[in-house]
Amino acid sequence: EIVLTQSPGTLSLSPGERAALSCRASQSVSSSYLAWYQQKPGQAPRLLIYGASSRATGIPDRFSGSGSGTDFTLTISRLEPEDFAVYYCQQYGSSPWTFGQGTKVEIK
Amino acid sequence: QVQLQESGPGLVKPSETLSLTCTVSGGSISNYYWGWIRQSPGKGLEWIGYSYSDGSTNYNPSLKSRVTISVDRSKNQFSLNLSSVTAADTAVYYCARPVGARGSGKYYLDYWGQGTLVTVSS
Repeated sequence: EIVLTQSPGTLSLSPGERAALSCRASQSVSSSYLAWYQQKPGQAPRLLIYGASSRATGIPDRFSGSGSGTDFTLTISRLEPEDFAVYYCQQYGSSPWTFGQGTKVEIK
Repeated sequence: QVQLQESGPGLVKPSETLSLTCTVSGGSISNYYWGWIRQSPGKGLEWIGYSYSDGSTNYNPSLKSRVTISVDRSKNQFSLNLSSVTAADTAVYYCARPVGARGSGKYYLDYWGQGTLVTVSS
């Protein structure tokens, strides 16, 4: 199965700053079948990005995804207070689908 | 707006079967895939499996021998049964909707339930 490794484990930033989260796969993710989710405490994950770079419905354009093959990035251009959360990547190009261990974006 | 809600026992004894139901509101269960994911401190997020509304299924190989997912279109519900549970199955269980080209096996998850904690303990 494909192992996804997210880095850093924790990102400490201030509102208004730019965040770049990395997701690396142990083997190539076919056709960029990679998604990003945001999870806040006590809530379910929320879809942000699918197909590596397509924003889900209602997601602000400060969120963007990029990458292909084994290296993917979620960028938040200017952090808003509601963006402090844990972010997960998921590959769905090969079975079993797998998730990264998460990156926590915390207020500095 | 599609909404999903999990229901079922919060405590299950070791060796017994964990059974959860997900009720779908705001849309029909027909012509979509429906799935289960769990989250535990030790293993993070783990995909369990999914079923199409016609009953065809796909399971995570690591759980395949113990998992059954079924769809009840008359009730707009789908269910998870996980047999022979141990403490390692303690987790928050989420129901979700996989989306993608039908039959491709390549689906991301666009709607999620709020999750329900299931503890396996005697």
